[in-house]
Amino acid sequence: AQKITQTQPGMFVQEKEAVTLDCTYDTSDQSYGLFWYKQPSSGEMIFLIYQGSYDEQNATEGRYSLNFQKARKSANLVISASQLGDSAMYFCAMRGTSGSRLTFGEGTQLTVNP
Amino acid sequence: NAGVTQTPKFRILKIGQSMTLQCTQDMNHNYMYWYRQDPGMGLKLIYYSVGAGITDKGEVPNGYNVSRSTTEDFPLRLELAAPSQTSVYFCASTWTGDLDEQYFGPGTRLTVT
Repeated sequence: AQKITQTQPGMFVQEKEAVTLDCTYDTSDQSYGLFWYKQPSSGEMIFLIYQGSYDEQNATEGRYSLNFQKARKSANLVISASQLGDSAMYFCAMRGTSGSRLTFGEGTQLTVNP
Repeated sequence: NAGVTQTPKFRILKIGQSMTLQCTQDMNHNYMYWYRQDPGMGLKLIYYSVGAGITDKGEVPNGYNVSRSTTEDFPLRLELAAPSQTSVYFCASTWTGDLDEQYFGPGTRLTVT
């Protein structure tokens, strides 16, 4: 079974500062993928970034980077230079080779203050 | 590109009524999924399909049925709606079952009263 844990129900950050959203996972699969999605108040799910378990480099996509620590089973999302439009719910998810489904965490509500 | 489309966007049902949520993707994806998201929670998998004619249960399948007669369409059927099925329903698709991104539809907000 796979499990994703996001321990921060809510986070606040000042505009232009960086913020880290935590995600830990548990799986018995040797090969797996970790994903972050953003859900703004409008409700759609927006894919942000992906990290494969065998990728040696941390994934980066623009202002988003994934701090992947395999031994600690953590996949934290780092958002640099926060913008007001970053205010949203953020979900960490994983997908293993034992099934094609995504397992989601409970999410972190990020609020960016001006 | 339309991507993944869902209809309707909103629906209110009375207890005991039935309805079908429609999902269509135009990316020729093999894998399709239905999730539900309860208020303040993450997404939970209801059913998924790895190709036309093949479906399987997810975490929370009770009260739902699906079919996959074509690659493009993956409708979700609610029989005898209950208040516990009040939720936002997302359809998603992906090309393979490997470690690639899932594309989500805009969601259907369903209220059962």
